[in-house]
Amino acid sequence: DAGVTQSPTHLIKTRGQQVTLRCSPKSGHDTVSWYQQALGQGPQFIFQYYEEEERQRGNFPDRFSGHQFPNYSSELNVNALLLGDSALYLCASSLRAGRVEQYFGPGTRLTVT
Amino acid sequence: SQQGEEDPQALSIQEGENATMNCSYKTSINNLQWYRQNSGRGLVHLILIRSNEREKHSGRLRVTLDTSKKSSSLLITASRAADTASYFCATEPLSSGSARQLTFGSGTQLTVLP
Repeated sequence: DAGVTQSPTHLIKTRGQQVTLRCSPKSGHDTVSWYQQALGQGPQFIFQYYEEEERQRGNFPDRFSGHQFPNYSSELNVNALLLGDSALYLCASSLRAGRVEQYFGPGTRLTVT
Repeated sequence: SQQGEEDPQALSIQEGENATMNCSYKTSINNLQWYRQNSGRGLVHLILIRSNEREKHSGRLRVTLDTSKKSSSLLITASRAADTASYFCATEPLSSGSARQLTFGSGTQLTVLP
């Protein structure tokens, strides 16, 4: 039973560029949440997708957008990258109507230069 | 912004000793969860305590919750070197409804010396 997978593992981008991060949820899960974790800080909620729609959003600008596909996998897109976007991006999956526990992927380390 | 704060920010103990970490939060919650993170990688769920519970055990872990003080503590008994990691508390606010959005604290870095 595969857990949550994310790709790529590491990514280096230049300011102003755009980036797409990918997440495949744990088998059987239908909800994907994205978190940003800056160095030395706890994760911060970006948004959550369920039934291919953004259901809830944290305090992040519109430069951050996402998508969920019919197979429940998800993408996080960040436009016009800033140095401050450098962080570990974590994907978490869960079952909307099930247990509260969320399963996290290993994360994508994004460095913006 | 972070919902809560962990205390202490860093903790160093000898193998076999107990480790206690505290978490404070700001808003009313559905539940509080503790996660472990090794070396900036993914988070591993440790234990969940609901707002109507006061104490919960899982193996060497003991969690308490005081909703009147908006605080929680995580006790790891008989610590091992493998327990070395960052520990985060995360709250699910009442306002999150079915979205189950988690709000994390800033974490405690635990180092267990062999």
